Amino acid sequence: AAGVIQSPRHLIKEKRETATLKCYPIPRHDTVYWYQQGPGQDPQFLISFYEKMQSDKGSIPDRFSAQQFSDYHSELNMSSLELGDSALYFCASSSTAEAFFGQGTRLTVV
Amino acid sequence: GEDVEQSLFLSVREGDSSVINCTYTDSSSTYLYWYKQEPGAGLQLLTYIFSNMDMKQDQRLTVLLNKKDKHLSLRIADTQTGDSAIYFCAETFTGGGNKLTFGTGTQLKVEL
Repeated sequence: AAGVIQSPRHLIKEKRETATLKCYPIPRHDTVYWYQQGPGQDPQFLISFYEKMQSDKGSIPDRFSAQQFSDYHSELNMSSLELGDSALYFCASSSTAEAFFGQGTRLTVV
Repeated sequence: GEDVEQSLFLSVREGDSSVINCTYTDSSSTYLYWYKQEPGAGLQLLTYIFSNMDMKQDQRLTVLLNKKDKHLSLRIADTQTGDSAIYFCAETFTGGGNKLTFGTGTQLKVEL
């Protein structure tokens, strides 16, 4: 069965650079979520989209933005990267109460 | 998450049962979930329960929900070494959309 696909799996960026993370949800899922998981932490909700419209916003810094495109894939754009942005970034998708997660993108800011 | 608490660590012997506990504060929870995370991997949905249920069984997994005490548990029967991972409980709540609020995670170590 198709799962949530995230790319890239690993990303190394320098401080003040920009990063773009991509997410391809499970086909026919209408909602996409982004979460950030710091080292040794639980995942924290960043933002979600329902049918390509932003539906909810969590603790997402102003330096970050996201969108969902007409083909339902989503991108998380992160600018002016800081050392503290180093984390695992997960995308999840759902069409019911069950949310399925991708394998994540590990972002390292040096 | 600050509203969902779990004990940090649990160690069991292979073949024994494991019980992972979770307490939450939000009385408007709609669904409660258990996710498994292996090192360097994503979050795997194990099972979930609607907030008006008190028990759900799925093969080796049993979820118990005590809504009065806001206590959720996951029992894994016949625990295997492949069950070693971090287990997160999570909730969605009324008015919160479908975003998940995760617990702090419990590291399960299965010893031979």
